[in-house]
Amino acid sequence: GENVEQHPSTLSVQEGDSAVIKCTYSDSASNYFPWYKQELGKGPQLIIDIRSNVGEKKDQRIAVTLNKTAKHFSLHITETQPEDSAVYFCAASRNNDMRFGAGTRLTVKP
Amino acid sequence: GAGVSQTPSNKVTEKGKYVELRCDPISGHTALYWYRQSLGQGPEFLIYFQGTGAADDSGLPNDRFFAVRPEGSVSTLKIQRTERGDSAVYLCASSLGSGPDEQFFGPGTRLTVL
Repeated sequence: GENVEQHPSTLSVQEGDSAVIKCTYSDSASNYFPWYKQELGKGPQLIIDIRSNVGEKKDQRIAVTLNKTAKHFSLHITETQPEDSAVYFCAASRNNDMRFGAGTRLTVKP
Repeated sequence: GAGVSQTPSNKVTEKGKYVELRCDPISGHTALYWYRQSLGQGPEFLIYFQGTGAADDSGLPNDRFFAVRPEGSVSTLKIQRTERGDSAVYLCASSLGSGPDEQFFGPGTRLTVL
């Protein structure tokens, strides 16, 4: 089955800097790659997603890139703010069996 | 409108007991998912419903775990003979259609087995 690896597990940046989180997946048939943000005591919330027919997608300060050949995708957050501090999860899916990475705890220091 | 709701928010039980966890998906969402999240880990897929039927239950760890969605809306995750290793946050999510798409998560039920 699908295996998703995510790194780094923790990331600390200064407010205003950029943050990059990377994921790899194993199933070449996966075609949907969402990123979720999870705050303490809450369920994950989608922040951006990308499908396999697209190489890059951007939404304001957040962008995701996908390299299907290498089977990796990355989340880029620019101009980070303290409210970006949370745990971020990548995931990969080909039907509805979504597999998540282990998460990255992002801390943005003011 | 209302998001995905889960009850109870917390459940403490003793080893060997039976528990039921409830999920109310977003109205009109045909797909419903259950995940288990252990501390410091990502959500782990358990089961996926399309309508009333379990389209994929490959993530259920063993036959102590069972889930139903009899009317294609509310779902109940049932765990028999609970073990301490079952302690985790159980997340429910729903999505609009049948293909891979945005899943809307509930706040989860924190299950503690003593």
